[in-house]
Amino acid sequence: GAGVSQSPSNKVTEKGKDVELRCDPISGHTALYWYRQSLGQGLEFLIYFQGNSAPDKSGLPSDRFSAERTGGSVSTLTIQRTQQEDSAVYLCASSPPGPLNNEQFFGPGTRLTVL
Amino acid sequence: DQQVKQNSPSLSVQEGRISILNCDYTNSMFDYFLWYKKYPAEGPTFLISISSIKDKNEDGRFTVFLNKSAKHLSLHIVPSQPGDSAVYFCAASAGAQKLVFGQGTRLTINP
Repeated sequence: GAGVSQSPSNKVTEKGKDVELRCDPISGHTALYWYRQSLGQGLEFLIYFQGNSAPDKSGLPSDRFSAERTGGSVSTLTIQRTQQEDSAVYLCASSPPGPLNNEQFFGPGTRLTVL
Repeated sequence: DQQVKQNSPSLSVQEGRISILNCDYTNSMFDYFLWYKKYPAEGPTFLISISSIKDKNEDGRFTVFLNKSAKHLSLHIVPSQPGDSAVYFCAASAGAQKLVFGQGTRLTINP
C-alpha cells in the first residue's frame, strides 16, 4: 500500500521568500505530524494534528511557520519570509487511530535549502 | 534542553557481533519508547518499541531494554548484518503522541 508521500522532495529558495511543503498521509490515519531535522541534529517536533481536534502547535519555532490539514487528510506546512536557519529536512508522519498508536510512519521528507 | 540524548554519534561493529545503541532521557513522564532506523534520503522507519511497564521487548534480532530507574534504554542487534548500517534514533513520548527524538547514532557494520 501507499506510504506517506511528501512534495517537493527538494526545494531551494531565496531568503525572504515563502514556501509550501505538502504531505499526503497514509489513508485512514487520523494523526499527522510535522518534524524537521537540521544538519547533525535529531528530529525536532513542529506540529501535530489529531482528527478534528485543535492542532498542537507547541513546536513551531516562530510565527513564520504555520500548517493546515484540509479534510482530515492532506497537510501543508507554510514557512513565510524564509531565513537561512530554516534550511533542514522537513519530515511528515502519520499514525493510525487507536490508544497506543505511537508508531508513526514517516515520509521521505522535503529538503529545504534557503540561500 | 535535550530530553532524549544519544551520546554516541557513531558506532562501528564487526559483522556477526552484537551492536548496542544507548539512549538516556530526563523526563520521568515518558511512558513509551521507540527506536527508528533511517537510511540516507529516506524517512525514519519504525523498528521496535517498549512501554514503561516492561523492561524488555524482543523482535527477531532486535531487543530493547528499558531501565526506568536509570532513565536509560538500549537497543541490541545480534547478529549485526551489513544492512543494519544506518542512523538509529531513539524516541520517547509522554501520553500524547508527540515524539521527542534523540540526535541519532550512525551505526556502521564492517564485513
